[in-house]
Amino acid sequence: KAGVTQTPRYLIKTRGQQVTLSCSPISGHRSVSWYQQTPGQGLQFLFEYFSETQRNKGNFPGRFSGRQFSNSRSEMNVSTLELGDSALYLCASSLTSWQGGDGYTFGSGTRLTVV
Amino acid sequence: SQKIEQNSEALNIQEGKTATLTCNYTNYSPAYLQWYRQDPGRGPVFLLLIRENEKEKRKERLKVTFDTTLKQSLFHITASQPADSATYLCALSASGGSYIPTFGRGTSLIVHP
Repeated sequence: KAGVTQTPRYLIKTRGQQVTLSCSPISGHRSVSWYQQTPGQGLQFLFEYFSETQRNKGNFPGRFSGRQFSNSRSEMNVSTLELGDSALYLCASSLTSWQGGDGYTFGSGTRLTVV
Repeated sequence: SQKIEQNSEALNIQEGKTATLTCNYTNYSPAYLQWYRQDPGRGPVFLLLIRENEKEKRKERLKVTFDTTLKQSLFHITASQPADSATYLCALSASGGSYIPTFGRGTSLIVHP
């Protein structure tokens, strides 16, 4: 079956611009989570969506937002980009809620560079 | 504060040996712990999940132990191969909350032929 698809794979943006990243989870997976990965901080949780509702949110500023559509596809948006937003953004899907103890299936990520 | 610690130094071993990676945590009441493999420029790949009431889990050449008294998980790869070279991440889900996994920084494993 198809894995988690993230688009685009690479992106270069200028400070102050905004960006939208897309994630298509594995078919049937209802939970989609987003993580930011940087060499300095490792993997940091951004937010989780389940059935179109944001269920959990990490400690990121309001410039980071997301949404999930009825087909479980998710987008995340970063407004007013800063140099420090340069990172690998990873989307992960799982079958049910985390209390079920399923592992994540990650996409390959979107490499965002802010110049 | 809550912490998950993995050895930041790379682990170098010879092909055929057993690699053992460590994940220590503090100030967590764990529900379960996961291990992932990540190759450069790629997303992590799920390997194993172990629950807080399980001592050991195995999958092919992989073995994970979970000691909630020592607050430690060990991840073993037996008969290691150069293709096992990657960064290995542990991720802990705490009970009583959202269960969202918090990831360690990972340990790089290099298997030499």
